[in-house]
Amino acid sequence: AQSVTQPDIHITVSEGASLELRCNYSYGATPYLFWYVQSPGQGLQLLLKYFSGDTLVQGIKGFEAEFKRSQSSFNLRKPSVHWSDAAEYFCAVATSKTSYDKVIFGPGTSLSVIP
Amino acid sequence: DAGVIQSPRHEVTEMGQEVTLRCKPISGHDYLFWYRQTMMRGLELLIYFNNNVPIDDSGMPEDRFSAKMPNASFSTLKIQPSEPRDSAVYFCASSDLGHRNYGYTFGSGTRLTVV
Repeated sequence: AQSVTQPDIHITVSEGASLELRCNYSYGATPYLFWYVQSPGQGLQLLLKYFSGDTLVQGIKGFEAEFKRSQSSFNLRKPSVHWSDAAEYFCAVATSKTSYDKVIFGPGTSLSVIP
Repeated sequence: DAGVIQSPRHEVTEMGQEVTLRCKPISGHDYLFWYRQTMMRGLELLIYFNNNVPIDDSGMPEDRFSAKMPNASFSTLKIQPSEPRDSAVYFCASSDLGHRNYGYTFGSGTRLTVV
């Protein structure tokens, strides 16, 4: 069965430091991958998505993610974190090309930013 | 665009009472999803609709839960009777998969507390 894991439950970084959030998926075919962010009391907001093509994907708010098929990973990165980036981050995978409307979400990684 | 609109934002009800959550998707989106989020189980897909038709309700926990989408601009999730274990944040999301806007747009959620 398809699955998404986010190995880090919680990460703390200093403001201005770089960030990498890990995401691994289990799926036999080409995945459709997403990163979402959830600020406290808010719904999820799409940061970026990967469907095909360039494996380095740029998103909003200065985030990027790299798809590595050999590692079944889709890690999220940001070169310099801002205090407003403190939130919950969810990696997600769509299960097939014909049903990418149904998406499996990872458990989430909570990010804290130290001023 | 006002985004996905959910009401109410907060709901506190007594065990055994009926609860109705409401969702207005983004105009033109032809998929609508209901999710439940808890600390223990994370994000769970309850049911989703395509063109107002329920496609998959396998995530609905039990018969106490029901969802309808009478038209393209409105959906409800009903719990009758409610129980304390139904306490969670319920999210509605919509998606436009026929065009370039892939990924979901989430509402801000309804925080349900059953006492």
